[in-house]
Formats: sequence, C-alpha cells, structure tokens
Amino acid sequence: LAKTTQPISMDSYEGQEVNITCSHNNIATNDYITWYQQFPSQGPRFIIQGYKTKVTNEVASLFIPADRKSSTLSLPRVSLSDTAVYYCLVGLYNQGGKLIFGQGTELSVKP
Amino acid sequence: DADVTQTPRNRITKTGKRIMLECSQTKGHDRMYWYRQDPGLGLRLIYYSFDVKDINKGEISDGYSVSRQAQAKFSLSLESAIPNQTALYFCATSDLTPGQGQETQYFGPGTRLLVL
Repeated sequence: LAKTTQPISMDSYEGQEVNITCSHNNIATNDYITWYQQFPSQGPRFIIQGYKTKVTNEVASLFIPADRKSSTLSLPRVSLSDTAVYYCLVGLYNQGGKLIFGQGTELSVKP
Repeated sequence: DADVTQTPRNRITKTGKRIMLECSQTKGHDRMYWYRQDPGLGLRLIYYSFDVKDINKGEISDGYSVSRQAQAKFSLSLESAIPNQTALYFCATSDLTPGQGQETQYFGPGTRLLVL
C-alpha cells in the first residue's frame, strides 16, 4: 500500500489560499488520491478525490501532476472554520478497509 | 454524517469489563469499518466488513471483536477492556462510486471511551 508524506502542521491567515502537498512516491496504477478533513472530536469528512490532472468541487481543488507521485490540496480563501486536520490517502479502489490515514496536516487559520 | 450513528457517545468503564459499541447507518452501504484514534495520531483500522457475511481484521484487531448483525448494523466489542484501549472510536461506511471504482468513507460522530 502506498505510503503518504505530508507536513505535520501549517499556519495561515483568513482569506489566504492554502496549499497542502502530499507525497506518494509508490502510488500504484489503480490508486486514487483522496483528502479528508477532521475537526476535533468529529469523524473525518470527505473533501475531494482524484486520479490525475485537476479536480475541483465547491470546497477545494486537487492538483495531481503527470507522474502522480504527489498531489496538492488547494483551499481557496480559508476562514477560521477551516482550522482542522487534513489527511491525504492513497488507496487502491475496490480494496476497502485498506486506507491508511497517517498523522495528517494540522492547519491553523488565524484572524 | 447524520446517516451514521454511534452509541454510546461517551463511555467510562473499568479494566476487565466487556463493553459493546454500536454503529448504525441509513445510507444503505454494504461496507462498514471500525477505527480507533489516539491523541495526535491518525486513524487505525480495527475491523471491516464488506457485507453481512464478510468480516476482516484490520491493523489492530487484537483485543477486539465485531458482529455484523445486518447491513445497517456493525458492533464492536471489547471482551476485557484494558486502559490502553482508551481512545476515540469511529465507525464508517462506504460504497463504490458506480462505474468508477472509487470509494468514499462516511464517518459517524465517534465514541469516546475511557478505561480505568
């Protein structure tokens, strides 16, 4: 199973764009890249998922270069409520239960 | 996600006691999971089930057992609780995106367990 590496923590200010990069050098051909958000004492919440190039939804964008060895979660104009832990996961589709969350990136948004 | 509920939300128990954590979902998903989270750490998989007749061990199944009573219910038991099982426990469900093979997990609110 592909291992991911992401920064332990990041700081930002309200209104800024935040980019969190995740490295996954051993990603396999069928692996998808998924990002989750977790607030204290709550379960993780799905943010975005992609396979290659760029994916955008109402919450974030996900940029995946051609070699797929890394990916970047982009949060536009963050607010205080975006303070949370963000997890990058790489898992073979249809494996289920094999997802490894790791420590995630703790994002702190300041006023 | 309100479609995934867990009971109890908080529980204090003593070493050696047997306890059960319950999870119910109304999403109609076949796949269900139990994770535990310790302070400052990510989630670790305890058990998972792909359907009612399928149970699989995760990374840290020792000291735990599960029961999949129905598609909508997945229970986690600690046969003889010990203090290092003090943690936040999450249940999750998932289903494959039709035609895509991508999987998204939906988590319950968690159960905070303290073993004295």
